[in-house]
Amino acid sequence: AQSVTQPDIHITVSEGASLELRCNYSYGATPYLFWYVQSPGQGLQLLLKYFSGDTLVQGIKGFEAEFKRSQSSFNLRKPSVHWSDAAEYFCAVAVIMKTSYDKVIFGPGTSLSVIP
Amino acid sequence: DAGVTQSPTHLIKTRGQQVTLRCSPKSGHDTVSWYQQALGQGPQFIFQYYEEEERQRGNFPDRFSGHQFPNYSSELNVNALLLGDSALYLCASSSPSGSFTGELFFGEGSRLTVL
Repeated sequence: AQSVTQPDIHITVSEGASLELRCNYSYGATPYLFWYVQSPGQGLQLLLKYFSGDTLVQGIKGFEAEFKRSQSSFNLRKPSVHWSDAAEYFCAVAVIMKTSYDKVIFGPGTSLSVIP
Repeated sequence: DAGVTQSPTHLIKTRGQQVTLRCSPKSGHDTVSWYQQALGQGPQFIFQYYEEEERQRGNFPDRFSGHQFPNYSSELNVNALLLGDSALYLCASSSPSGSFTGELFFGEGSRLTVL
């Protein structure tokens, strides 16, 4: 069965420090992978996505993620965290059926706190 | 260009009651997915509607049902509410099938509290 795990429930970093959020997936075929961010009281916003090609993908707000097939991982990184990055981050995998993806499965999320 | 809109934003119900949540997809989108997000958890896939039919369904009981209208808007209905149904219900729309954008556009959600 398809699944997504995010080992870190909560992470605290200082403003200006680098960030890495971990994500591991289980999926039998080539995965379509995503990172979403959710600020308090709001819906989810897409940060970046991986479908194929270059394993290092760039997203919005200075985020990037690297796909490593051998490790079934898709870790999210940012070189310098801003206070406004404090939010909940979700890794997700798309389950592809027929000619288009049919559902997206989300991990449990990692809550990021930023210390000024 | 309006994004995904959901209503109501907040509602309180008692056990055993029924609730209907509404969603209007982003302009140009024809596929609507519903997710349940319990406090402190990731969104759980309920079902997806395309061409007014339920195309995929997650592991949710039949108490959860839905509908999609010709204008692509959608409703989520939950019958015989349980305390455990308290959650944020998220609607997400996506671009026409086959375009492979892979991106879900989410609404702000409907916060349901069951007492």
